[in-house]
Amino acid sequence: DGGITQSPKYLFRKEGQNVTLSCEQNLNHDAMYWYRQDPGQGLRLIYYSQIVNDFQKGDIAEGYSVSREKKESFPLTVTSAQKNPTAFYLCASMPDRNTGELFFGEGSRLTVL
Amino acid sequence: AQSVTQPDIHITVSEGASLELRCNYSYGATPYLFWYVQSPGQGLQLLLKYFSGDTLVQGIKGFEAEFKRSQSSFNLRKPSVHWSDAAEYFCAVMTTDSWGKLQFGAGTQVVVTP
Repeated sequence: DGGITQSPKYLFRKEGQNVTLSCEQNLNHDAMYWYRQDPGQGLRLIYYSQIVNDFQKGDIAEGYSVSREKKESFPLTVTSAQKNPTAFYLCASMPDRNTGELFFGEGSRLTVL
Repeated sequence: AQSVTQPDIHITVSEGASLELRCNYSYGATPYLFWYVQSPGQGLQLLLKYFSGDTLVQGIKGFEAEFKRSQSSFNLRKPSVHWSDAAEYFCAVMTTDSWGKLQFGAGTQVVVTP
């Protein structure tokens, strides 16, 4: 079955540690996205990539980094510079940027202690 | 400033009753409009979208939405809700200035009572 796989589903880390969230897709989509979800704030775009080896900052990129070395993979690193990293993180892909239809993974919940 | 507003944070509806979720947007460019649904602890799923043409669009799970340019609105409706419709609903906008990037509203949590 085609889809987006995010791992881990739950992650606990101490303050000051970097954390990498995995996102893999087998949908053959060019574009991939990372969103952060906090209660009452909807989804906010962290980073996106429309092609391999290229990515752009979204609205809240500070304290985060990404890479896009393969079409299938778009990992997100939450660095120690992110002031409030506890959140639900969603990865998504889009087959064609003209469609606007995002396909989402099931999310990763990060809790920083 | 560009924005997507969902005025209702939380709605409670009885099973079998009708449901309407409001969405207003503020964008200078032509908007392309979407409704997504999220079950607890899950990712989002597209319910329907409007790009052009008929302003009343049909989606999955019996939902429909109407685009009203004069009111800058794209409200979601369902004539008769089922307990499985309990979820969070997000309105989103994409414009010609931001191809491939969606701006989401804050979401409306829907609770369905027996």
